[in-house]
Amino acid sequence: GENVEQHPSTLSVQEGDSAVIKCTYSDSASNYFPWYKQELGKGPQLIIDIRSNVGEKKDQRIAVTLNKTAKHFSLHITETQPEDSAVYFCAAAGLNYGQNFVFGPGTRLSVLP
Amino acid sequence: DTEVTQTPKHLVMGMTNKKSLKCEQHMGHRAMYWYKQKAKKPPELMFVYSYEKLSINESVPSRFSPECPNSSLLNLHLHALQPEDSALYLCASSQPQAARKLFFGSGTQLSVL
Repeated sequence: GENVEQHPSTLSVQEGDSAVIKCTYSDSASNYFPWYKQELGKGPQLIIDIRSNVGEKKDQRIAVTLNKTAKHFSLHITETQPEDSAVYFCAAAGLNYGQNFVFGPGTRLSVLP
Repeated sequence: DTEVTQTPKHLVMGMTNKKSLKCEQHMGHRAMYWYKQKAKKPPELMFVYSYEKLSINESVPSRFSPECPNSSLLNLHLHALQPEDSALYLCASSQPQAARKLFFGSGTQLSVL
């Protein structure tokens, strides 16, 4: 079955710097890759997603890139702010898994003022 | 509106109690999900309802009983839980096809004493 790895598990950056979180997946049939941000005491919030027919997608300070050949995708956050501090989960989904999403183990991002 | 509403936000129950978690969405989604999330871990799928019918049960113990009264509502009935069932219980919704945007509620933090 699908397996999603995520690195790093923790990441600390200075306010204003960029942050990059990387995920790899194992099933080449996966075709949808969302990213979730989870703040303490809240549910995961969908912040950006990408489908396999696209290599890059951007929404203001966040962007996601996908390399289908290498089977990895990355979240890029520029000009980080303290409110970006949270746990970020990547996930993979596709027809082989129906309505199931396979989540990465998560990255705890701390933005230091 | 991308809101999934869950009640209650917090719940403390004894091992002999019966309680219910409730979830509501008005996005017209025809798939609704229950996830369980332990601290510092990604969400784990428990149940999926598609068009108000149970489509996925991830071998969840029978002390958890889901119910989907209509296309907007999802319940999770709890009975004779164990302390290890203490977790954040998340409801989510999406369109019913595979690999669609998944929206989570804020969750119910459950403590079993």
